[in-house]
Amino acid sequence: AQKVTQAQTEISVVEKEDVTLDCVYETRDTTYYLFWYKQPPSGELVFLIRRNSFDEQNEISGRYSWNFQKSTSSFNFTITASQVVDSAVYFCALSSDNYGQNFVFGPGTRLSVLP
Amino acid sequence: DAGVIQSPRHEVTEMGQEVTLRCKPISGHDYLFWYRQTMMRGLELLIYFNNNVPIDDSGMPEDRFSAKMPNASFSTLKIQPSEPRDSAVYFCASTGSRTEAFFGQGTRLTVV
Repeated sequence: AQKVTQAQTEISVVEKEDVTLDCVYETRDTTYYLFWYKQPPSGELVFLIRRNSFDEQNEISGRYSWNFQKSTSSFNFTITASQVVDSAVYFCALSSDNYGQNFVFGPGTRLSVLP
Repeated sequence: DAGVIQSPRHEVTEMGQEVTLRCKPISGHDYLFWYRQTMMRGLELLIYFNNNVPIDDSGMPEDRFSAKMPNASFSTLKIQPSEPRDSAVYFCASTGSRTEAFFGQGTRLTVV
């Protein structure tokens, strides 16, 4: 069975601090896909990144970066120089399909960035 | 494109009443998903369609829940009769063969 664990329920940081959100997954599939979604206070789910199991290169997009480590089944997300607008719930998700036809979501991490 | 559109955004109903949630996926997307989000269980997949055909409904909690997709641009999730434990945020999402899943803004359902 597939499972996603986000051990950090809530994190609070002060603006401009760096913060890392942890994600650990379990799957028996050799091919799988990992995702991060952001849920701001307005409630919608916003896609951030997709990574397939064959691509372990880390990725950076502006202040966001992702560290995929197959050896530890982790796909961690770092926000550099956090801003108040980063306050949201962040979900890590796992899918055996390329574009998330069948997500298993983690429980989410609520990030509060204080001014 | 306006994205995935769900209606209503909020619904308050009395126990025992029928509730219908609606979703318009992004044009051209051939997959449609219904998710439920609660504090206790997080985000759960209820059912998904491919080309208007239900593929996996194993997440539908009970026979009180039903979903239809009569055409490529419209889907409904119906609860009849509704119960207080059905209170949750219901999300619809759509995806195509080469895109990630896009989610609607959700319908917050409260059953009193």
